[in-house]
Amino acid sequence: DQQVKQNSPSLSVQEGRISILNCDYTNSMFDYFLWYKKYPAEGPTFLISISSIKDKNEDGRFTVFLNKSAKHLSLHIVPSQPGDSAVYFCAARFSGGYNKLIFGAGTRLAVHP
Amino acid sequence: KAGVTQTPRYLIKTRGQQVTLSCSPISGHRSVSWYQQTPGQGLQFLFEYFSETQRNKGNFPGRFSGRQFSNSRSEMNVSTLELGDSALYLCASSLDGGMGGYTFGSGTRLTVV
Repeated sequence: DQQVKQNSPSLSVQEGRISILNCDYTNSMFDYFLWYKKYPAEGPTFLISISSIKDKNEDGRFTVFLNKSAKHLSLHIVPSQPGDSAVYFCAARFSGGYNKLIFGAGTRLAVHP
Repeated sequence: KAGVTQTPRYLIKTRGQQVTLSCSPISGHRSVSWYQQTPGQGLQFLFEYFSETQRNKGNFPGRFSGRQFSNSRSEMNVSTLELGDSALYLCASSLDGGMGGYTFGSGTRLTVV
């Protein structure tokens, strides 16, 4: 039972355009959501997070939107750069669940010139 | 400051053997979590330790175990290795397991032959 789903295994975007990565979840007990970026042979790197009491969080080129009624969140990257090419993981945390994060399967983003 | 250090980086073991992986968290971090990453499965939570106590556990068989030492370093052990245990094993540390950006190590790539 996959509680966090990233339905697009890959996404290709032109440099300078917007990248939108999507994530759906099924459990309403999640209280915190995070996005990680991962390059090959490296561990995931934290990008941005959002609490379930908010609907938007912005950090530079990265914005995360949360739609609780639809159980959907998305990561927007504007403008996209070739260095953003990586695998992006969406993760969710249970309320009171300490460090137990539930990850999606990831979306591979390719930003081409 | 030094990041999360995992050793060894690569390991090849034979079916039926056992293996021990090590994780040194960021100085001052008391929470260490372990994750397994396999192709197409994202990251699966194994367990979390805080102050030498296992605080959270994922859905893995008892062959997977761990421990944490007084200096917060953690080890993960897998006994009676199976081919399906081949994966990237990642550990993440944080101050107290609360919300925010947990820092991941680069992982140990285990191959079971």
